[in-house]
Amino acid sequence: EAGVTQFPSHSVIEKGQTVTLRCDPISGHDNLYWYRRVMGKEIKFLLHFVKESKQDESGMPNNRFLAERTGGTYSTLKVQPAELEDSGVYFCASSQDRGSGNEQFFGPGTRLTVL
Amino acid sequence: GQSLEQPSEVTAVEGAIVQINCTYQTSGFYGLSWYQQHDGGAPTFLSYNALDGLEETGRFSSFLSRSDSYGYLLLQELQMKDSASYFCAVRSDSSYKLIFGSGTRLLVRP
Repeated sequence: EAGVTQFPSHSVIEKGQTVTLRCDPISGHDNLYWYRRVMGKEIKFLLHFVKESKQDESGMPNNRFLAERTGGTYSTLKVQPAELEDSGVYFCASSQDRGSGNEQFFGPGTRLTVL
Repeated sequence: GQSLEQPSEVTAVEGAIVQINCTYQTSGFYGLSWYQQHDGGAPTFLSYNALDGLEETGRFSSFLSRSDSYGYLLLQELQMKDSASYFCAVRSDSSYKLIFGSGTRLLVRP
């Protein structure tokens, strides 16, 4: 079974540019989460999809961040325009619906650097 | 606010036992999870405690005391490959989103 994959693994952009991160969850997992870890700090929740619907986007920092999950499969997270404080590692995770939802399967993350 | 506290670094010798503590302050509590992350890798699930007591999985055990808002991860017979960061995380409501601690970096020495 393939794990959660994320693309790209690294991205270096300049302030003001746009970046789109992609996450492919484990096949069949309805729940998809985005998290972010800023240097040395805790991993922070951004949002949660159940299939194509946003279940909880309380962690999204501001309206420069836009997440989509069309068709309930892969998801994208767009940052536009990027600011210096957006630098960090963006993780995607997925889990099955209910029951085993306590175990989240994480991808390796996308390391975003905004210069 | 919601917060989890865990030590930033722990060093131990190969073959020894190490305990990583986690205290939490959250608006609600459904369970405490532990994740392991090697440098540059994906966090991987280790354990989940919803009820008080000890859960054992091989060399790793996890403990929870809800009355003390406290848990720990116990690693026995340490191996070099256990050198990694360990995160505690709380599920604070009926959704499955996790609130993470800042992580504990474990260094296992020969």
